[in-house]
Amino acid sequence: DADVTQTPRNRITKTGKRIMLECSQTKGHDRMYWYRQDPGLGLRLIYYSFDVKDINKGEISDGYSVSRQAQAKFSLSLESAIPNQTALYFCATSGPVPGQGLETQYFGPGTRLLVL
Amino acid sequence: GDSVTQMEGPVTLSEEAFLTINCTYTATGYPSLFWYVQYPGEGLQLLLKATKADDKGSNKGFEATYRKETTSFHLEKGSVQVSDSAVYFCALSPSGYSTLTFGKGTMLLVSP
Repeated sequence: DADVTQTPRNRITKTGKRIMLECSQTKGHDRMYWYRQDPGLGLRLIYYSFDVKDINKGEISDGYSVSRQAQAKFSLSLESAIPNQTALYFCATSGPVPGQGLETQYFGPGTRLLVL
Repeated sequence: GDSVTQMEGPVTLSEEAFLTINCTYTATGYPSLFWYVQYPGEGLQLLLKATKADDKGSNKGFEATYRKETTSFHLEKGSVQVSDSAVYFCALSPSGYSTLTFGKGTMLLVSP
């Protein structure tokens, strides 16, 4: 079973609609992240959370909000979707790499969002 | 602020060719450096990392050396395979933090 899961995997919505993307993890990590990926722009950080009571804006937080419902759950909301929010969205957690003494990020499979 | 610059793709190679993907960075202090790989339809996976100057990260035949004097972390592989076709991202993490700044990614296409 995947350690970081995202729902839905694909979503089509209309301009002005509110939508929520959900992320769950079974890795037991405190730190979670939301990114968007656009062709030619790489990944950009939207929001991140270092624990349940901690929420931080990333590079491109305008038009988005998040909720950290529990250690394992971190949701991303678009209050009023617009076409330029069409992108691939990734959730990630960060924690140690077993046996290697370093920390890295573990990514979910992504949610492909199309805003018409 | 911190930034990562990668060579633009796609990089197109024949199987068994030598691969180099250039990556340079701008950061204060002593960041950790990473290469992530994204296979089609999947999320990113850590490929290798280095945490201090002159460290060499390696995994699955890929290598990269942390060069502080040239602020570079170029990815190399001596003999690529078709299965290496993917998008490769260079990234950095400021010392003491776990946020990542990514480059724009470089697509690698390997033909038989």
